[in-house]
Amino acid sequence: SQQGEEDPQALSIQEGENATMNCSYKTSINNLQWYRQNSGRGLVHLILIRSNEREKHSGRLRVTLDTSKKSSSLLITASRAADTASYFCARRRGSTLGRLYFGRGTQLTVWP
Amino acid sequence: DARVTQTPRHKVTEMGQEVTMRCQPILGHNTVFWYRQTMMQGLELLAYFRNRAPLDDSGMPKDRFSAEMPDATLATLKIQPSEPRDSAVYFCASGWGQGMNEQFFGPGTRLTVL
Repeated sequence: SQQGEEDPQALSIQEGENATMNCSYKTSINNLQWYRQNSGRGLVHLILIRSNEREKHSGRLRVTLDTSKKSSSLLITASRAADTASYFCARRRGSTLGRLYFGRGTQLTVWP
Repeated sequence: DARVTQTPRHKVTEMGQEVTMRCQPILGHNTVFWYRQTMMQGLELLAYFRNRAPLDDSGMPKDRFSAEMPDATLATLKIQPSEPRDSAVYFCASGWGQGMNEQFFGPGTRLTVL
């Protein structure tokens, strides 16, 4: 598969805990993006990390990228019930005219 | 607050009927994507336009699906004839530039074909 694949498929934690989701891919990338999808809604872009970057932060989000291992991780610190959603990684290859390859997502549930 | 809009939000139709879904990309965006999301297949890219020209529609069943951009403010996805296996949520997304940046998704059209 050329898609990014998230791991785990589902994650259940308590409020205040950190949530870590991983994404693996098989071919070279130009950038990798993380999206969130609340139930019944469209996807919302969270963060983009380029292939020459190793780490990026945005608020409570921290994304790392290891191109040698072809993997990325999304860390949500001090999680809240409102963080409950599906999280997708999407990979962009430079040769594919801008299309994104989405994984199957991680369903995160944060219990109050 | 610029957003991608999609109509209708919900559509229930009978097998064999024509279905047309519409999308208004964010003003100024020059790339438009159509995706289909199902539990079984996840998120699949159906078609992709840049500057209104189709660049990639390899994910779309050609015999029944068609995607067009009559103008820069409207993208359409048509299914004729529809089949029960087309039941899914269809998302439109838009972006800018060479398509290397983030995509902005609409709320989706939930299609049910009976």
